[in-house]
Amino acid sequence: GDSVTQMEGPVTLSEEAFLTINCTYTATGYPSLFWYVQYPGEGLQLLLKATKADDKGSNKGFEATYRKETTSFHLEKGSVQVSDSAVYFCALANFGNEKLTFGTGTRLTIIP
Amino acid sequence: GAVVSQHPSRVICKSGTSVKIECRSLDFQATTMFWYRQFPKKSLMLMATSNEGSKATYEQGVEKDKFLINHASLTLSTLTVTSAHPEDSSFYICSVHVGGAPYEQYFGPGTRLTVT
Repeated sequence: GDSVTQMEGPVTLSEEAFLTINCTYTATGYPSLFWYVQYPGEGLQLLLKATKADDKGSNKGFEATYRKETTSFHLEKGSVQVSDSAVYFCALANFGNEKLTFGTGTRLTIIP
Repeated sequence: GAVVSQHPSRVICKSGTSVKIECRSLDFQATTMFWYRQFPKKSLMLMATSNEGSKATYEQGVEKDKFLINHASLTLSTLTVTSAHPEDSSFYICSVHVGGAPYEQYFGPGTRLTVT
């Protein structure tokens, strides 16, 4: 079945550092890929998405590129802020299946 | 996207009582909604798919008689935790499926249930 593997957290960075959160997936066909963010005590918010190979999703300074050859969708940001502290979930949805398959989540803490 | 609300945001109930959680799609008519459960510092566990006008589809291992789901309209799905026990304490999150590829879901803010 489909699966998503994320790097283990927690991740702690200083403000303005470069961020990478790794995500790889296993799926048949051509899934759509997503990054969701969850701030403390809240539900999930869609951060960015990509629907086909080589697509780059971007939002709020975050980027992720759909790499079919490496089955990856790593999340990056050039300069993180304290307000980026949250839990980040990588997810996929396969064609014809409405359900999302989530990774385990990566807790990110940014210190001033 | 879709704006999704949940009510209540927090609820404390006594063991043995039932609790109803509402999920509303405020600006989108949702034929499909999802209910998730999230344990502390864990990922989301899909509990069931809620289909408007028909029975919910439960994931393996989820007791349908304990977690009653009703999706009576295109804007409202409810999750009732019946005869709640402390182990049912959790963060419950609903989402709305907006249809078509790429199968995006928009999530509610979640409901924190504490059973004492």
